[in-house]
Amino acid sequence: DTAVSQTPKYLVTQMGNDKSIKCEQNLGHDTMYWYKQDSKKFLKIMFSYNNKELIINETVPNRFSPKSPDKAHLNLHINSLELGDSAVYFCASSPSGTTYGYTFGSGTRLTVV
Amino acid sequence: GESVGLHLPTLSVQEGDNSIINCAYSNSASDYFIWYKQESGKGPQFIIDIRSNMDKRQGQRVTVLLNKTVKHLSLQIAATQPGDSAVYFCAENYSGGGADGLTFGKGTHLIIQP
Repeated sequence: DTAVSQTPKYLVTQMGNDKSIKCEQNLGHDTMYWYKQDSKKFLKIMFSYNNKELIINETVPNRFSPKSPDKAHLNLHINSLELGDSAVYFCASSPSGTTYGYTFGSGTRLTVV
Repeated sequence: GESVGLHLPTLSVQEGDNSIINCAYSNSASDYFIWYKQESGKGPQFIIDIRSNMDKRQGQRVTVLLNKTVKHLSLQIAATQPGDSAVYFCAENYSGGGADGLTFGKGTHLIIQP
């Protein structure tokens, strides 16, 4: 049973489209995150949510909008996709806003053409 | 040996040898450090962690060393196996920061030669 699952695993779309990536965790964690990994493998946090409440919003274009319907889900919606949005997006979760027990999903590779 | 490639530092070692991967962290307030392993097409996988009140911690075939004076972290992998080939990341966090996520280092690509 996958602890942190993301869908889809691959997403190819045209510039200007709107797309969503879904994330679900069954670990009972209170905090969920989105990370972006660029072509040079650099991982950087984008957002974190604790119990459905936004905690961190790094310098990310407002075309990116996270949504947390409940503490087990954190979805990422991206409007007006641009070529530079191509990357691998990782969802992660941790218990109670700490980094102990931090668990990552397997990633969604987004390619904008 | 170790070299800096166009994208990621790469470390190539013979199977069975020991490897050492180094990481310099940035925040002197960080008090928790983690090493992750990322295989191709997968997410980062926890290997070992260490808190700032320790200098060394050992796991199965892995040892993490922390030098707070120079803000340096290293991961030693003993008796490397083909399955150890992956990209390794160090990550740091300040535990008092709540849900502020991890700050990742650049990553090192470890290649195990048969």
